[in-house]
Order: sequence, then C-alpha cells, then structure tokens
Amino acid sequence: GAVVSQHPSRVICKSGTSVKIECRSLDFQATTMFWYRQFPKQSLMLMATSNEGSKATYEQGVEKDKFLINHASLTLSTLTVTSAHPEDSSFYICSAEQGAGNSPLHFGNGTRLTVT
Amino acid sequence: AQTVTQSQPEMSVQEAETVTLSCTYDTSESDYYLFWYKQPPSRQMILVIRQEAYKQQNATENRFSVNFQKAAKSFSLKISDSQLGDAAMYFCAYGASGGTYKYIFGTGTRLKVLA
Repeated sequence: GAVVSQHPSRVICKSGTSVKIECRSLDFQATTMFWYRQFPKQSLMLMATSNEGSKATYEQGVEKDKFLINHASLTLSTLTVTSAHPEDSSFYICSAEQGAGNSPLHFGNGTRLTVT
Repeated sequence: AQTVTQSQPEMSVQEAETVTLSCTYDTSESDYYLFWYKQPPSRQMILVIRQEAYKQQNATENRFSVNFQKAAKSFSLKISDSQLGDAAMYFCAYGASGGTYKYIFGTGTRLKVLA
C-alpha cells in the first residue's frame, strides 16, 4: 500500500529557532500534500495544501510567513516552522493523495514539536 | 462551506458487541467522498472505510460497515464484533472531487472497548 514517511517523529527546539519537517511519499507520486495540526484530544486542523511546483494554499488564520511550505518534487513536501514559539508546540501531520478524486489520504506518522 | 459533525465525543462498547458512530455533513456538492479514519494512541491515521457519494450501496470492510443516507447527509459507521484493538479515536472525513479541494474532518469520537 501507499506509504507516507514523515520525519522527524519528535523534535524539541528552543524558542526563536526554526524547525523543518519532511513529508515523503515513498512509493507513489503526490501532486498534492496536506499539512494538518492537531491539538491534544482535538481533530485535525488543515493548515495548508501543498501543490508540487506552485505556492501552497494556506487556510484562513495560518501565517504563511511562519509556516513555510515547499513542495519541490512529486514525492517531497516540507513544512518549516520559523522563529518557533512555545505556542507552536503541537502535533503536525502530513498527508498525501495518491491520484485524485476518489483516492483516500495517506498519512505520515506525525511530528511532535515541543518548543522550549 | 462544507462541515462535518460528530455529535458523540465518546462511546463505549462491550467486547464482541456492535456499536454505531454517527456523522453528519453539509455540502452543496453532488460528487464527493466520505471516509472514516481511526487514530489509535500511536496517533497514526488509519483508513477504515470509504464511500463514494454516487454509490447507493453501503460500503463494507469486514467488521466495519457504513449507513450512508445521502438525502439526510448522514454517514454512520457500524463496528460489529468489537475487539479491544478497535479502541481509538474515530474521525469522519469529507472530500470533494475535482479542482482544488480539501478534506474536512469531524471532531472525532473516542471509542472505548470494554473487556
């Protein structure tokens, strides 16, 4: 089956530094990838839609300068949290769509970010 | 705008019994897809079942089946012969086909399975 690899699984960083999270589709090409944020015991909140070769589409309220998304190839999308603050601490999950339309999302294992 | 509502924050079921999780949604689209995802404590999102809106027949996957009522915009998940490993958060999700679209998730239902 389709596999999405997300790295790192856990990261601790100091306030003011930047952190990059990678999302790779291992055995399929993903034109579109999605980045979600999940607070404890809550649902997945869509942050942005990442499209290969073009700018990401951000959801309302998500700071595009703070959460930089790059989708440089059909198998890799990255999310960089710039100048991280403790309130950015959260669980971030990427997902990729295999094909379009009737294809379900395949999820990475998520990244637990802790900003101290 | 599309919305997905799960009105049951938590449900419990006895092992080997059957439980139904509710989901309603709102959309003006005619062609879309509905999914149930399971998120165990590992937090890995696992696809349980999916339903194409154009299909009248309810989807089934082993012990999991759905009751899809398009007119009522209802999409419930039935788990038969519940097992301890079924304990998890269950999210109902909506996705529209074509163009630039997004998947919308409900708030989730925590399922507890009692031995």
